[in-house]
Amino acid sequence: DVVVTQSPDSLAVSLGERATINCKSSQSVFHSSNNNNYLAWYQQKPGQPPKRLIFWASLRESGVPDRFSGSGSGTDFTLTISSLQAEDVAVYYCQQHYYTPFTFGQGTRLEIK
Amino acid sequence: EVQLVESGGGLVQPGGSLRLSCAASGFTFSNYAMSWVRQAPGKGPEWVSVICGSDNNTYYADSVRGRFTISRDNSKNTLFLQLNSLRVEDTAVYYCAKAEGSSCYRSSDCWGQGTLVTVCS
Repeated sequence: DVVVTQSPDSLAVSLGERATINCKSSQSVFHSSNNNNYLAWYQQKPGQPPKRLIFWASLRESGVPDRFSGSGSGTDFTLTISSLQAEDVAVYYCQQHYYTPFTFGQGTRLEIK
Repeated sequence: EVQLVESGGGLVQPGGSLRLSCAASGFTFSNYAMSWVRQAPGKGPEWVSVICGSDNNTYYADSVRGRFTISRDNSKNTLFLQLNSLRVEDTAVYYCAKAEGSSCYRSSDCWGQGTLVTVCS
C-alpha cells in the first residue's frame, strides 16, 4: 500500500500567521497523461465529516477561502494557510487517490498559539 | 443541493452483520463513483471501498475485502455496504462520499454525516 505521511502531527500558529502542513507519499501520484496529481486535502472539525479543501493537489474547492492553497507534485505536497483565522482550527488530512487503497495521512492538528 | 444520508448503523456482536445505506439526492447518482470511508473513535479516516459510476467496478481495503460488499441501486439513488463477519476493530463512524466524477480515481467532494457501527460483545 502507498503510505502517506504528514508533518507535523500538530501545529500551533498565531492568528494572522502562516501555517504549513506537509504530505509525503511513498510513491508518486502524478499521472503524466493528464498532468494531474491525485492528491486531495481535507479539513475536519469535531463532530463533522471531512470537508474537501483542495483537489488535484492545487485546485481550491468552490467556497474555500483563498488563504488556503495547495502545492507540490509527485510525492511531496504542501497545504498552506496564509493568514490563520480562528475558524481554521481543525485536523487536516491529505489523501492519495491514485493507488487503491486510497490512503489518508495520519492528520495534522492545527491550533491557535 | 447534494445530500447524502447514511443509515443502518448500530450495535452488533462480533461475527454479526449489518447493511448500511446511503440515500443520495441533488445529483445524477448513476454518473458518479461513490465511496465508503470509516473513522474509528479518535482516529483518522480510513478508506474502505469504492464503486465506479461508469462500469460499477469495485475496490476494497485489504482489511475488509471478503467481508464487506459495496453495491448501488441507481434506480433508488442509494449506495449500500454489506458488513459481514464483523470484528471489534470495525467499530467506527461510516461515511458515504461522492466522487467528483464517474471514475473511481477521483477524490470525494461531498460527504454524509455518517452512521455509527459498534461491534462488541
